[in-house]
Amino acid sequence: EAGVTQFPSHSVIEKGQTVTLRCDPISGHDNLYWYRRVMGKEIKFLLHFVKESKQDESGMPNNRFLAERTGGTYSTLKVQPAELEDSGVYFCASSRLSRQQYFGPGTRLTVT
Amino acid sequence: RKEVEQDPGPFNVPEGATVAFNCTYSNSASQSFFWYRQDCRKEPKLLMSVYSSGNEDGRFTAQLNRASQYISLLIRDSKLSDSATYLCVVSITTGFQKLVFGTGTRLLVSP
Repeated sequence: EAGVTQFPSHSVIEKGQTVTLRCDPISGHDNLYWYRRVMGKEIKFLLHFVKESKQDESGMPNNRFLAERTGGTYSTLKVQPAELEDSGVYFCASSRLSRQQYFGPGTRLTVT
Repeated sequence: RKEVEQDPGPFNVPEGATVAFNCTYSNSASQSFFWYRQDCRKEPKLLMSVYSSGNEDGRFTAQLNRASQYISLLIRDSKLSDSATYLCVVSITTGFQKLVFGTGTRLLVSP
């Protein structure tokens, strides 16, 4: 069974630009989560989808971040416009029901 | 104050040693508790769930003290392959939703 995949693995953009991260969950997993690790800090929850619906977006830092999961399959996380403090590793995870979350390899975002 | 506090380490131990990590959590409503392992530049992977009665998985033993809001992980007979960062993780739900992570404790096992 294929694991969670994320694209791109790395992204370097300039402040003010837009970046879109993609996550493909494990097939059949209705739950999809986004997390972020800023350098030197702990991994923090951003939001949770159940199918195409946002179940909890309490961790989204501000309105520059937009997550979508159209059709309940893959998800995208757009940052527009990017700021320096958005640099970090963005992890996606998926699960079946409320069971174990499986994490993707992450997207390392650098904003210069 | 962080929701989950861990000693960042690193803990440097020789092969075969026993090492213990601790963490404390601040939200008394926390329901689920886990230890994750994260290798350098990799994703976190579930090591084990932690139950109130304590649980063991091979060389790994986890304990939970709800009254003190304290979680521990004991690794016996350390292997070189145990070198990694160990993340203490809690959730206020009974499942795996909205995980709250500690910053992790780094373990280095040397020959």
